[in-house]
Amino acid sequence: KNEVEQSPQNLTAQEGEFITINCSYSVGISALHWLQQHPGGGIVSLFMLSSGKKKHGRLIATINIQEKHSSLHITASHPRDSAVYICAVLQVGTYKYIFGTGTRLKVLA
Amino acid sequence: GAVVSQHPSWVICKSGTSVKIECRSLDFQATTMFWYRQFPKQSLMLMATSNEGSKATYEQGVEKDKFLINHASLTLSTLTVTSAHPEDSSFYICSARDGTQYFGPGTRLTVL
Repeated sequence: KNEVEQSPQNLTAQEGEFITINCSYSVGISALHWLQQHPGGGIVSLFMLSSGKKKHGRLIATINIQEKHSSLHITASHPRDSAVYICAVLQVGTYKYIFGTGTRLKVLA
Repeated sequence: GAVVSQHPSWVICKSGTSVKIECRSLDFQATTMFWYRQFPKQSLMLMATSNEGSKATYEQGVEKDKFLINHASLTLSTLTVTSAHPEDSSFYICSARDGTQYFGPGTRLTVL
Protein backbone atom coordinates (compact mmCIF):
# COMPACT_ATOMS: atom_id res chain seq x y z
CA LYS A 1 0.00 0.00 0.00
CA ASN A 2 1.34 3.43 -0.95
CA GLU A 3 2.01 5.85 1.87
CA VAL A 4 0.12 8.52 -0.07
CA GLU A 5 -3.08 7.56 -1.82
CA GLN A 6 -5.11 9.78 -4.09
CA SER A 7 -8.63 9.32 -5.32
CA PRO A 8 -9.97 9.26 -7.88
CA GLN A 9 -7.13 8.35 -10.22
CA ASN A 10 -9.00 9.74 -13.19
CA LEU A 11 -11.85 12.22 -13.28
CA THR A 12 -13.85 13.68 -16.13
CA ALA A 13 -16.17 16.56 -15.39
CA GLN A 14 -18.33 18.99 -17.29
CA GLU A 15 -17.44 22.64 -17.27
CA GLY A 16 -18.89 24.37 -14.23
CA GLU A 17 -18.95 21.30 -12.00
CA PHE A 18 -17.60 21.30 -8.45
CA ILE A 19 -14.65 18.91 -8.21
CA THR A 20 -13.08 17.21 -5.22
CA ILE A 21 -9.81 15.32 -5.22
CA ASN A 22 -8.82 13.40 -2.12
CA CYS A 23 -5.48 12.55 -0.59
CA SER A 24 -4.94 10.16 2.31
CA TYR A 25 -1.59 9.41 3.89
CA SER A 26 -0.32 6.99 6.47
CA VAL A 27 2.80 8.73 7.81
CA GLY A 28 3.28 11.60 10.19
CA ILE A 29 3.72 14.79 8.25
CA SER A 30 4.82 18.35 8.83
CA ALA A 31 3.32 19.71 5.60
CA LEU A 32 1.28 18.74 2.60
CA HIS A 33 1.62 20.16 -0.89
CA TRP A 34 -0.86 20.18 -3.74
CA LEU A 35 0.78 20.43 -7.15
CA GLN A 36 -0.68 20.87 -10.61
CA GLN A 37 1.05 19.33 -13.60
CA HIS A 38 -0.05 20.39 -17.05
CA PRO A 39 0.03 18.10 -20.10
CA GLY A 40 3.38 19.57 -21.18
CA GLY A 41 4.81 18.52 -17.83
CA GLY A 42 5.28 21.87 -16.09
CA ILE A 43 4.60 21.79 -12.37
CA VAL A 44 2.84 24.55 -10.49
CA SER A 45 2.66 24.62 -6.73
CA LEU A 46 -0.94 25.30 -5.69
CA PHE A 47 -0.96 25.06 -1.92
CA MET A 48 1.18 24.14 1.02
CA LEU A 49 -0.80 23.19 4.11
CA SER A 50 0.03 22.19 7.63
CA SER A 51 -3.44 22.72 9.08
CA GLY A 52 -6.89 24.04 8.30
CA LYS A 53 -7.92 25.44 4.97
CA LYS A 54 -6.55 27.67 2.23
CA LYS A 55 -8.31 29.33 -0.67
CA HIS A 56 -6.93 30.81 -3.84
CA GLY A 57 -9.37 31.89 -6.49
CA ARG A 58 -11.52 28.90 -7.39
CA LEU A 59 -9.29 26.47 -5.55
CA ILE A 60 -9.74 25.41 -1.95
CA ALA A 61 -7.52 23.01 -0.05
CA THR A 62 -8.28 21.51 3.33
CA ILE A 63 -6.38 19.22 5.63
CA ASN A 64 -7.41 17.16 8.65
CA ILE A 65 -4.25 16.15 10.48
CA GLN A 66 -6.04 13.77 12.86
CA GLU A 67 -7.67 11.89 10.01
CA LYS A 68 -4.56 12.13 7.79
CA HIS A 69 -6.59 13.41 4.91
CA SER A 70 -6.58 16.39 2.58
CA SER A 71 -8.94 17.50 -0.14
CA LEU A 72 -8.52 19.81 -3.09
CA HIS A 73 -11.71 21.42 -4.36
CA ILE A 74 -12.20 23.24 -7.62
CA THR A 75 -15.31 25.38 -7.90
CA ALA A 76 -16.84 26.28 -11.28
CA SER A 77 -14.41 24.03 -13.13
CA HIS A 78 -13.09 25.07 -16.51
CA PRO A 79 -11.34 23.18 -19.34
CA ARG A 80 -8.10 24.98 -18.45
CA ASP A 81 -8.20 23.16 -15.11
CA SER A 82 -7.48 19.93 -17.00
CA ALA A 83 -4.23 18.65 -15.56
CA VAL A 84 -2.77 16.08 -13.20
CA TYR A 85 -3.11 17.06 -9.55
CA ILE A 86 -0.48 15.64 -7.23
CA CYS A 87 -0.55 15.41 -3.46
CA ALA A 88 2.85 15.40 -1.76
CA VAL A 89 3.50 15.04 1.96
CA LEU A 90 6.60 16.11 3.85
CA GLN A 91 7.36 13.33 6.26
CA VAL A 92 7.93 14.64 9.78
CA GLY A 93 11.57 14.75 10.78
CA THR A 94 12.83 14.61 7.20
CA TYR A 95 13.17 16.90 4.23
CA LYS A 96 11.76 14.25 1.93
CA TYR A 97 8.46 14.48 0.18
CA ILE A 98 6.37 11.42 -0.59
CA PHE A 99 4.25 11.85 -3.69
CA GLY A 100 0.89 10.45 -4.61
CA THR A 101 0.45 9.03 -8.08
CA GLY A 102 -1.75 11.93 -9.11
CA THR A 103 -5.32 12.48 -10.20
CA ARG A 104 -5.80 13.08 -13.89
CA LEU A 105 -8.59 15.63 -14.36
CA LYS A 106 -10.26 16.39 -17.64
CA VAL A 107 -12.87 19.14 -17.78
CA LEU A 108 -15.04 19.12 -20.87
CA ALA A 109 -16.48 22.27 -22.39
CA GLY B 1 5.74 34.12 -3.61
CA ALA B 2 9.01 32.29 -3.86
CA VAL B 3 9.94 31.08 -7.33
CA VAL B 4 12.17 28.29 -8.52
CA SER B 5 13.19 28.24 -12.16
CA GLN B 6 14.70 25.52 -14.30
CA HIS B 7 16.63 25.82 -17.51
CA PRO B 8 16.13 24.54 -20.06
CA SER B 9 12.46 23.62 -19.92
CA TRP B 10 13.08 20.94 -22.50
CA VAL B 11 16.13 19.49 -24.22
CA ILE B 12 16.77 16.90 -26.89
CA CYS B 13 20.22 15.38 -27.17
CA LYS B 14 22.03 12.56 -28.87
CA SER B 15 22.94 9.39 -27.07
CA GLY B 16 26.38 9.62 -25.48
CA THR B 17 26.33 13.36 -24.89
CA SER B 18 26.04 15.13 -21.56
CA VAL B 19 23.27 17.50 -20.61
CA LYS B 20 23.26 20.09 -17.84
CA ILE B 21 20.05 21.26 -16.19
CA GLU B 22 20.03 24.35 -13.98
CA CYS B 23 17.80 25.01 -11.00
CA ARG B 24 17.68 28.49 -9.53
CA SER B 25 15.90 29.98 -6.55
CA LEU B 26 14.97 33.43 -7.78
CA ASP B 27 14.13 35.41 -4.68
CA PHE B 28 15.43 33.38 -1.77
CA GLN B 29 18.49 31.49 -0.68
CA ALA B 30 18.12 27.74 -0.72
CA THR B 31 20.35 25.84 1.64
CA THR B 32 18.97 22.58 0.32
CA MET B 33 17.89 21.61 -3.17
CA PHE B 34 16.33 18.38 -4.32
CA TRP B 35 16.28 16.65 -7.70
CA TYR B 36 13.41 14.42 -8.74
CA ARG B 37 12.73 12.30 -11.76
CA GLN B 38 9.36 11.42 -13.19
CA PHE B 39 8.63 8.70 -15.70
CA PRO B 40 5.41 8.91 -17.74
CA LYS B 41 2.30 8.50 -15.64
CA GLN B 42 4.32 7.85 -12.50
CA SER B 43 5.02 9.73 -9.30
CA LEU B 44 8.01 11.96 -8.78
CA MET B 45 10.95 10.00 -7.38
CA LEU B 46 13.65 11.68 -5.33
CA MET B 47 17.07 11.27 -6.92
CA ALA B 48 19.29 13.28 -4.63
CA THR B 49 19.48 15.97 -2.01
CA SER B 50 22.12 18.65 -2.26
CA ASN B 51 23.29 21.13 0.33
CA GLU B 52 25.21 24.20 -0.68
CA GLY B 53 28.94 23.63 -0.59
CA SER B 54 28.82 19.92 0.12
CA LYS B 55 28.42 16.68 -1.79
CA ALA B 56 24.96 15.56 -2.77
CA THR B 57 23.28 12.64 -1.04
CA TYR B 58 21.93 10.19 -3.58
CA GLU B 59 18.97 7.90 -3.11
CA GLN B 60 19.46 4.19 -3.41
CA GLY B 61 19.75 3.06 -7.00
CA VAL B 62 20.74 6.46 -8.39
CA GLU B 63 24.18 6.45 -10.01
CA LYS B 64 26.12 9.40 -8.67
CA ASP B 65 28.66 9.21 -11.50
CA LYS B 66 25.91 9.40 -14.07
CA PHE B 67 23.86 12.15 -12.46
CA LEU B 68 26.33 14.78 -11.30
CA ILE B 69 24.92 17.37 -8.95
CA ASN B 70 26.63 20.61 -8.06
CA HIS B 71 25.21 23.10 -5.57
CA ALA B 72 27.84 25.80 -5.80
CA SER B 73 25.79 28.68 -4.45
CA LEU B 74 22.71 29.30 -2.35
CA THR B 75 20.67 30.04 -5.46
CA LEU B 76 21.92 27.54 -8.03
CA SER B 77 22.11 23.78 -8.32
CA THR B 78 22.92 21.90 -11.49
CA LEU B 79 22.20 18.34 -12.56
CA THR B 80 24.39 16.95 -15.32
CA VAL B 81 23.29 13.76 -17.01
CA THR B 82 26.52 12.27 -18.31
CA SER B 83 26.76 10.00 -21.34
CA ALA B 84 23.01 10.15 -21.75
CA HIS B 85 21.12 7.15 -23.06
CA PRO B 86 17.53 6.87 -24.28
CA GLU B 87 16.50 5.32 -20.95
CA ASP B 88 17.53 8.59 -19.27
CA SER B 89 14.71 10.31 -21.12
CA SER B 90 12.47 11.61 -18.40
CA PHE B 91 11.07 14.69 -16.70
CA TYR B 92 13.48 16.15 -14.15
CA ILE B 93 12.19 18.43 -11.43
CA CYS B 94 14.10 20.36 -8.81
CA SER B 95 12.87 21.91 -5.62
CA ALA B 96 14.52 24.36 -3.28
CA ARG B 97 14.10 24.82 0.43
CA ASP B 98 14.53 27.79 2.74
CA GLY B 99 12.35 26.34 5.48
CA THR B 100 9.54 25.92 2.99
CA GLN B 101 10.04 23.81 -0.11
CA TYR B 102 9.23 25.21 -3.54
CA PHE B 103 9.08 23.21 -6.75
CA GLY B 104 10.53 24.13 -10.11
CA PRO B 105 8.53 23.71 -13.33
CA GLY B 106 10.60 20.76 -14.56
CA THR B 107 12.82 19.94 -17.54
CA ARG B 108 11.88 17.36 -20.12
CA LEU B 109 14.91 15.46 -21.41
CA THR B 110 14.67 13.37 -24.56
CA VAL B 111 17.71 11.33 -25.54
CA LEU B 112 17.73 10.10 -29.13
